[in-house]
Amino acid sequence: EAGVAQSPRYKIIEKRQSVAFWCNPISGHATLYWYQQILGQGPKLLIQFQNNGVVDDSQLPKDRFSAERLKGVDSTLKIQPAKLEDSAVYLCASSLEGRGTYEQFFGPGTRLTVL
Amino acid sequence: AQSVTQLGSHVSVSEGALVLLRCNYSSSVPPYLFWYVQYPNQGLQLLLKYTTGATLVKGINGFEAEFKKSETSFHLTKPSAHMSDAAEYFCAVSEYGNKLVFGAGTILRVKS
Repeated sequence: EAGVAQSPRYKIIEKRQSVAFWCNPISGHATLYWYQQILGQGPKLLIQFQNNGVVDDSQLPKDRFSAERLKGVDSTLKIQPAKLEDSAVYLCASSLEGRGTYEQFFGPGTRLTVL
Repeated sequence: AQSVTQLGSHVSVSEGALVLLRCNYSSSVPPYLFWYVQYPNQGLQLLLKYTTGATLVKGINGFEAEFKKSETSFHLTKPSAHMSDAAEYFCAVSEYGNKLVFGAGTILRVKS
């Protein structure tokens, strides 16, 4: 079974530039998560999708971050414009469902460096 | 609101020694609790989880954890450390299996 795929693995941009990350969850998984992991901290949820609807985006900085999950499969996370403090690893995870005992499977992450 | 505190950002043990990584949580509802491991440049891998039932949970690679409600703890242990256990470990709490709230992580170093 293929795992969660993410691209690119690494990205370096200058502040005020835009960047987009892509995630392809495990086939059949209805729930998709984006987490931000700043160096030295644990991952923090940015947004949760159930199929193509948003369940929780309370910690997403909506003035600069946006995310979509068209057709309820893969997803993109965009930052526009980027700030220095956005330097982090962006992890995508998926699970069969968003509640209950279903395990979240994580992708390898995209490491973003903002200069 | 839920939160997780991991005591000790770095833990160092000798190969063959006991591994003990500490986790305390706060939750207003019965928690689901998780331990994840992260190797360099990789995503998180689930070690074990507690949802309901038996409070002593066994996971992969010889790890286990015990849910202690009275102490609001979910410490991770392994009787004998192996070099391959060197990684960063994250404790997480969840309401009903929904979004995960993670601790800051503990980096485990295993000395030969």
